[in-house]
Amino acid sequence: GAGVSQTPSNKVTEKGKYVELRCDPISGHTALYWYRQSLGQGPEFLIYFQGTGAADDSGLPNDRFFAVRPEGSVSTLKIQRTERGDSAVYLCASSYSGGTGNEQFFGPGTRLTVL
Amino acid sequence: AQSVAQPEDQVNVAEGNPLTVKCTYSVSGNPYLFWYVQYPNRGLQFLLKYITGDNLVKGSYGFEAEFNKSQTSFHLKKPSALVSDSALYFCAVRDLASGGSYIPTFGRGTSLIVHP
Repeated sequence: GAGVSQTPSNKVTEKGKYVELRCDPISGHTALYWYRQSLGQGPEFLIYFQGTGAADDSGLPNDRFFAVRPEGSVSTLKIQRTERGDSAVYLCASSYSGGTGNEQFFGPGTRLTVL
Repeated sequence: AQSVAQPEDQVNVAEGNPLTVKCTYSVSGNPYLFWYVQYPNRGLQFLLKYITGDNLVKGSYGFEAEFNKSQTSFHLKKPSALVSDSALYFCAVRDLASGGSYIPTFGRGTSLIVHP
């Protein structure tokens, strides 16, 4: 069956530009998570959706970052006025529900490079 | 608060030998513990988890992990390593304490290198 997909796989942009990263979770998974992974580090939490609503956005580093999940399925992570420090791999994961015992299924990630 | 530590950046083992990748955790309540593997240019892939019950958990690809509450550890093990096991391994924890988070905390990862 289809896993979590993310597009684009690679995104190169210039400092100050706006970018959108898309995540398509596994069908039927109500929980969706965004993480950021820098080289040599584990995934760093950004935001968690339960259905359409952001249940926890405490990991968003500042107000340049925003994410939506309008129909409870596909999610878009939006970054305004990109900075070189935003360069990282952005991972999306989904799980059957937000229950704490459920494992997460990760997408392949989007590698964002800000020049 | 929840945290997890993977004390080794890299583990080297010869093919056919047993392997151990270490993980220790800190939580206020009881933990849910997870191991994930990441191959180059891929997302993380679930290996196994401890929720409750038997302290020895068996997972994918012949991996297992042992939950040790007194030592607050959840080390990943495999009796006989394969070259194809070479990858990044991440331990993650969720705290079940009242008000505990639905968000797991991940360790920094351990690079496992299995030599032919």
